[in-house]
Amino acid sequence: QSALTQPRSVSGSPGQSVTISCTGTSRDVGGYNYVSWYQQHPDKAPKLMIYDVIKRPSGVPDRFSGAKSGNTASLTISGLQADDEGDYYCCSQADDYVVFGGGTKLTVL
Amino acid sequence: QLQLQESGPGLVRPSETLSLTCTVSGDSISRNTHFWAWIRQPPGKGLEWIGSINHSGNTYYKPSLKGRVTISIDTSKNQFFLRLNSVTAADTAMYYCARELGGAADFWGRGTLVTVSS
Repeated sequence: QSALTQPRSVSGSPGQSVTISCTGTSRDVGGYNYVSWYQQHPDKAPKLMIYDVIKRPSGVPDRFSGAKSGNTASLTISGLQADDEGDYYCCSQADDYVVFGGGTKLTVL
Repeated sequence: QLQLQESGPGLVRPSETLSLTCTVSGDSISRNTHFWAWIRQPPGKGLEWIGSINHSGNTYYKPSLKGRVTISIDTSKNQFFLRLNSVTAADTAMYYCARELGGAADFWGRGTLVTVSS
């Protein structure tokens, strides 16, 4: 039950788009359409941004979108804004547990 | 609006048992089809899912924590609980409770910091 693999950091300028990848195995990301993404600001609880690979909870802007191909999921943030800066975690249902990615720090330049 | 609140000791001695309570308000645990989860985050590190329970008491745990962790529920009090035995400094973390389904945790508590130290 290794953690899902995410890049440690990504960056982009305001208005640009960034994509964060999340690589697992056929026992987690590739085997279930239950991938979720979280945004976390310093000293705050995580916030659900995407669930079931592509769905957005109420109140999450459509600038955030999710996708999956094989064992890799991705989160794309378009029209970057300063408030998007923070840590992002992917998460997947696995065979009989749930596993998180190691997290990606997004810097808005 | 659903709210969750963690409570419990902020300091636990090594080798002892960490015990936390999550109190749910705004909805009934017993009416809810979701699972109720414990998730932790060591200082400066990433999120780690510990385990989840539903209103019927069905549980699933992170494999590497099985044998040390127990999650239970009391639907009459709208609470669920975490017990982690034989703690070490590696168990020092912010502990969150959350409502989840398929790994999607849509409501979270604010978290409680637990330090393991003598």
